[in-house]
Amino acid sequence: GAVVSQHPSRVICKSGTSVKIECRSLDFQATTMFWYRQFPKKSLMLMATSNEGSKATYEQGVEKDKFLINHASLTLSTLTVTSAHPEDSSFYICSAEGGGGNTEAFFGQGTRLTVV
Amino acid sequence: QKEVEQNSGPLSVPEGAIASLNCTYSDRGSQSFFWYRQYSGKSPELIMSIYSNGDKEDGRFTAQLNKASQYVSLLIRDSQPSDSATYLCAVRSGGYNKLIFGAGTRLAVHP
Repeated sequence: GAVVSQHPSRVICKSGTSVKIECRSLDFQATTMFWYRQFPKKSLMLMATSNEGSKATYEQGVEKDKFLINHASLTLSTLTVTSAHPEDSSFYICSAEGGGGNTEAFFGQGTRLTVV
Repeated sequence: QKEVEQNSGPLSVPEGAIASLNCTYSDRGSQSFFWYRQYSGKSPELIMSIYSNGDKEDGRFTAQLNKASQYVSLLIRDSQPSDSATYLCAVRSGGYNKLIFGAGTRLAVHP
């Protein structure tokens, strides 16, 4: 399968600071990337859909000003959690798809964010 | 609301047995179906994709799709303790770009 790299895998930050998470498709061009959040023992919650060169589409209830998404190129999307608070602590996962009829989605390793 | 339903489990099977995981979906226009495996603390890993009715086999895994009944299943033959994980069913609807995930079924394979 295709390789999606997510970085960092784990981050601890102070309340009020911002954290940037990167998602890269290493061996294919990702026309679409998705950002998910997962709470312990729960399923994936889609936060937003990111298309290269256009604004992200956020799911209902997700604050776009708090979770900034940038899809600057066909291989890179970033999620910035701004003014982080302890309730933002979670497991954040990106996925990428190549499009062009290949509809399989491949996931990054995930980022464990802890806000203290 | 497009939904994907899975039994949360845990599904407990002895080593060497066949594990059967089931998933139903509500959108009859769904076109693509996927099974992901997720170990605790890790991100999902794609196991199988299936797009047409019938069976699709890959090693010890077989995916089965029945669009008329709106269900998709995953069979794991010769189950191993390393197969113990949560299995997520995901469905892509015809009119949507995003995947809809089920809540996952936790599989426990005991020696």
